Amino acid sequence: AQSVSQHNHHVILSEAASLELGCNYSYGGTVNLFWYVQYPGQHLQLLLKYFSGDPLVKGIKGFEAEFIKSKFSFNLRKPSVQWSDTAEYFCAVPGGGSQGNLIFGKGTKLSVKP
Amino acid sequence: GAVVSQHPSWVICKSGTSVKIECRSLDFQATTMFWYRQFPKQSLMLMATSNEGSKATYEQGVEKDKFLINHASLTLSTLTVTSAHPEDSSFYICSASRQGDPYEQYFGPGTRLTVT
Repeated sequence: AQSVSQHNHHVILSEAASLELGCNYSYGGTVNLFWYVQYPGQHLQLLLKYFSGDPLVKGIKGFEAEFIKSKFSFNLRKPSVQWSDTAEYFCAVPGGGSQGNLIFGKGTKLSVKP
Repeated sequence: GAVVSQHPSWVICKSGTSVKIECRSLDFQATTMFWYRQFPKQSLMLMATSNEGSKATYEQGVEKDKFLINHASLTLSTLTVTSAHPEDSSFYICSASRQGDPYEQYFGPGTRLTVT
């Protein structure tokens, strides 16, 4: 069965620190991977996605993620975080079927101290 | 573009009553809409997937007679929580996707339901 796990529940960083949030997946079909972000009081929005091709995916707001097939990982990275990156980050994989339903990880709350 | 709205943003209802939540795609046609439930400090759990004009597909463990989903048009889906109980109190989020791009979902802001 498809599943996704995020190991970090809450990450606290100072501004300008580098960020890496872990995501591991278990998926039997064609690998599609997503990172979504939920800023405080706002709705979920797509940060980036991997469908195929270059395993290093660039997203919005300076985020990137690298698909490492051998490690079943799709970690999210940003070289230098800002206070405005404070949010909850969710990794997701397809839930199976053709309709596009997603299975989300439990989320990682990122708090950036100014 | 690709804006999804939900109404109401929060609702309080008494136990035993029903409440309807609307999800609208404002600037695109949503062939598929998804309903999620999010508990505090937890992830989103998919409740059901609905396609315009057909019956919703419910996830295992979700009572279809309790959570009625109607996807009457390409821009509107509704979730009705029937005979609500306090344990139904939660944050309900909808998302929508376009035809041909099923995995890119656009999320609504969510509806906070409190059943007293």
